[in-house]
Amino acid sequence: GAGVSQSPSNKVTEKGKDVELRCDPISGHTALYWYRQSLGQGLEFLIYFQGNSAPDKSGLPSDRFSAERTGGSVSTLTIQRTQQEDSAVYLCASSLVSGVFYNEQFFGPGTRLTVL
Amino acid sequence: AQRVTQPEKLLSVFKGAPVELKCNYSYSGSPELFWYVQYSRQRLQLLLRHISRESIKGFTADLNKGETSFHLKKPFAQEEDSAMYYCALSGSDFLSGTYKYIFGTGTRLKVLA
Repeated sequence: GAGVSQSPSNKVTEKGKDVELRCDPISGHTALYWYRQSLGQGLEFLIYFQGNSAPDKSGLPSDRFSAERTGGSVSTLTIQRTQQEDSAVYLCASSLVSGVFYNEQFFGPGTRLTVL
Repeated sequence: AQRVTQPEKLLSVFKGAPVELKCNYSYSGSPELFWYVQYSRQRLQLLLRHISRESIKGFTADLNKGETSFHLKKPFAQEEDSAMYYCALSGSDFLSGTYKYIFGTGTRLKVLA
């Protein structure tokens, strides 16, 4: 079946503009995660959705970052008033069941964001 | 504090040499441990998990609860092993009751010919 998909694959924007990044998880996966991957920083957790529970937003770096997950499926990560330090690869992952300790995360290909 | 530590950002070894990627964790409970790998121009993917006790592509990882470590090992490195490796843990946070999945900062492995 289809894996996790993300769009766009690349996004170049000007400082101060808003951007939206989309993630389509694997069908049936109840848990969805957003990460940021940048050189020298490894994999940085941003936000986690599980079913109808309130999302864990503890990793969002500032109030310019927000995310939604509609209908328990597609998720959108929005960055308002982008800054150059927001430039990174944004990864989305989904997993089948959360709360089960040994569940595997399936990652999308990522969106490379460049803020000029 | 809950964290996963990978002390080496870059590890270079020669082909055929043994390789060990270090991972230490700090967690108030009994987490599950994983290793993920990202090859050049490919997606981040699961390499192996502790609970499966498996060897994947010649790699093994032993959980040492006393030392809170989950080092990844391979006796003879191959050039195709060159990649970014992330150690991760999952479990419930005893204080908040929430589920956590924590990644380390990663180690880039370069296998030299």
